[in-house]
Amino acid sequence: DSGVTQTPKHLITATGQRVTLRCSPRSGDLSVYWYQQSLDQGLQFLIQYYNGEERAKGNILERFSAQQFPDLHSELNLSSLELGDSALYFCASSVAGMYQETQYFGPGTRLLVL
Amino acid sequence: AQSVTQLGSHVSVSEGALVLLRCNYSSSVPPYLFWYVQYPNQGLQLLLKYTSAATLVKGINGFEAEFKKSETSFHLTKPSAHMSDAAEYFCAVSDRGDAGGTSYGKLTFGQGTILTVHP
Repeated sequence: DSGVTQTPKHLITATGQRVTLRCSPRSGDLSVYWYQQSLDQGLQFLIQYYNGEERAKGNILERFSAQQFPDLHSELNLSSLELGDSALYFCASSVAGMYQETQYFGPGTRLLVL
Repeated sequence: AQSVTQLGSHVSVSEGALVLLRCNYSSSVPPYLFWYVQYPNQGLQLLLKYTSAATLVKGINGFEAEFKKSETSFHLTKPSAHMSDAAEYFCAVSDRGDAGGTSYGKLTFGQGTILTVHP
């Protein structure tokens, strides 16, 4: 158990819908990362937050957005969903978001868009 | 831009045999490198990481990896495979950020190698 929690574990929805994925980092970690794992793209970095502020952005679609709240949990919002958004979405956390640090991954949320 | 290449999307070994999973990286600066393992229906678990303190890095579950700058490689090995090692393995490099000195930690992953262990 990494100490990172993600809810829900599974999500099935229809095209055009909007969903919210939630992540709670390890106790004491200030930085949260979101990654997408799909069969065709592999594991890709989406976005990083540190203590409530966006720090880095990767290949995140405009239909996707995220935020980190004062209690440090983070939410990833996916809207106007398409079939290709079906993937496993991971949240990871680290102490201060520095490149030297280990990122601890949650169990993921598996999203299926029908 | 940094990149990671894992040679071999599938590796199959017999129980007790040597495990060798290959990883080559591309980075303009000394990298921080990681190996993660993903068991079915689970998240990623850190096996080991290279931080420049030593070129041979020992990790959990008997795995180790050797950093070779001249070959830009960070291959993962285990002397004797166990059935429980069957999983997908990912090599990753950490982004050191821009020239302004702000360091980010986003990971760039290889495509993964699925390890199968036969009895």
